[in-house]
Amino acid sequence: QSALTQPASVSGSPGQSITISCTGTSSDVGRYNHVSWYQQRPGKAPELMIYDVSKRPSGVSNRFSGSKSGNTASLTISGLQAEDETDYYCSSYTRSNTLVFGGGTKLTVL
Amino acid sequence: QVQLVESGGGLVTPGGSLRLSCAASGFSFSDHYMTWIRQAPGKGLEWVSHISQSGNVIYYSDSVKGRFTISRDNAKNSLYLQMNSLRAEDTAVYYCARDQGWLQFGYWGQGTLVTVSS
Repeated sequence: QSALTQPASVSGSPGQSITISCTGTSSDVGRYNHVSWYQQRPGKAPELMIYDVSKRPSGVSNRFSGSKSGNTASLTISGLQAEDETDYYCSSYTRSNTLVFGGGTKLTVL
Repeated sequence: QVQLVESGGGLVTPGGSLRLSCAASGFSFSDHYMTWIRQAPGKGLEWVSHISQSGNVIYYSDSVKGRFTISRDNAKNSLYLQMNSLRAEDTAVYYCARDQGWLQFGYWGQGTLVTVSS
């Protein structure tokens, strides 16, 4: 159950777009279209931003989008805003019927 | 509205036991897989265990297998995590979460802190 690989940090200026990658294996990200992305603010529970690779829950801004290619999923945030500065985690269903998370990425809005 | 409220966390000595509860409301509890996820202080999220609607399908992470037991009581709309043989590395905030399919979680509780220390 090795964690998915995310960059520890990414940064961007307001209005720009950033992409956070999430690399797994052929047993998780590459095998299933059940990759999720969560936003977590300090001291709070995570919030689902993207599920099934690219679907957005009701109420989530369309500035957030997801995609996948091979064993790597990506979260793109367009029109970056100061309020987007926080931590982001990816997760994927696995062949073992379990779940694996990424190590998390801290987004800084410059 | 959907609510998940964890309780039962606290300070416990290594080797001790603790039972976490998660009270669910605002939805049909018996229709959903439920999951425990934890987060050590300053660290990332870690899936712990999940249980099917009837409780007949259960999975654990390798890090807790044989020490933790997940269960549910659909009549009480409650999820539980019995934690035995606790170790310092089990120190974390424990969240319960409602599965919306394929272990993806649209609803989380606020978390309960478990501290394992002598």
